[in-house]
Amino acid sequence: GENVEQHPSTLSVQEGDSAVIKCTYSDSASNYFPWYKQELGKGPQLIIDIRSNVGEKKDQRIAVTLNKTAKHFSLHITETQPEDSAVYFCAATRTRSGGGADGLTFGKGTHLIIQP
Amino acid sequence: KAGVTQTPRYLIKTRGQQVTLSCSPISGHRSVSWYQQTPGQGLQFLFEYFSETQRNKGNFPGRFSGRQFSNSRSEMNVSTLELGDSALYLCASSLAASGRTDEQFFGPGTRLTVL
Repeated sequence: GENVEQHPSTLSVQEGDSAVIKCTYSDSASNYFPWYKQELGKGPQLIIDIRSNVGEKKDQRIAVTLNKTAKHFSLHITETQPEDSAVYFCAATRTRSGGGADGLTFGKGTHLIIQP
Repeated sequence: KAGVTQTPRYLIKTRGQQVTLSCSPISGHRSVSWYQQTPGQGLQFLFEYFSETQRNKGNFPGRFSGRQFSNSRSEMNVSTLELGDSALYLCASSLAASGRTDEQFFGPGTRLTVL
């Protein structure tokens, strides 16, 4: 099955600086890669995703890049703000021939701390 | 649109008991997936339901089961509870449009504590 590794486990950056979180996956058939943000006491919130036919996607201060050859994808957050402090999870899955997709396989998470 | 709702938000049970958790997906969403989140194992996929049928299953024992109703609402059941079942149980709904992998939107979860 799929295996997703995520680094670093903790990332502390100064407010206004950029943050980068990296993930690698093992299954070359994976074709959908979402990123989630989880705040304390809440469920994961989808913040951005990318499909295997795209190399990069951007939404305001957040961007995701995908390198299919190396099987890794990264989350980039620019101009970080205190409200960006949370745990971030990457995930991977693939479309099933019979419909739907495999369940999401998640990385272990990155605790992002924004220092004022 | 209202988001994914899960009830109850908190549960305390003792070993050997069984528990049923409920999930109402976003209106119009036809697929419901369940995940278990623990500090040690992280987020793990339990199963997915679509059109009242289990379409996909993760690597969990048969004590974990679920079902989906005609209105897409879903329940999951855990029988013969063990201490290790203490976790946050998350439900995610997706549109389930054909031919593509859809975004999954998570609910707030049910925090289950087994004593």
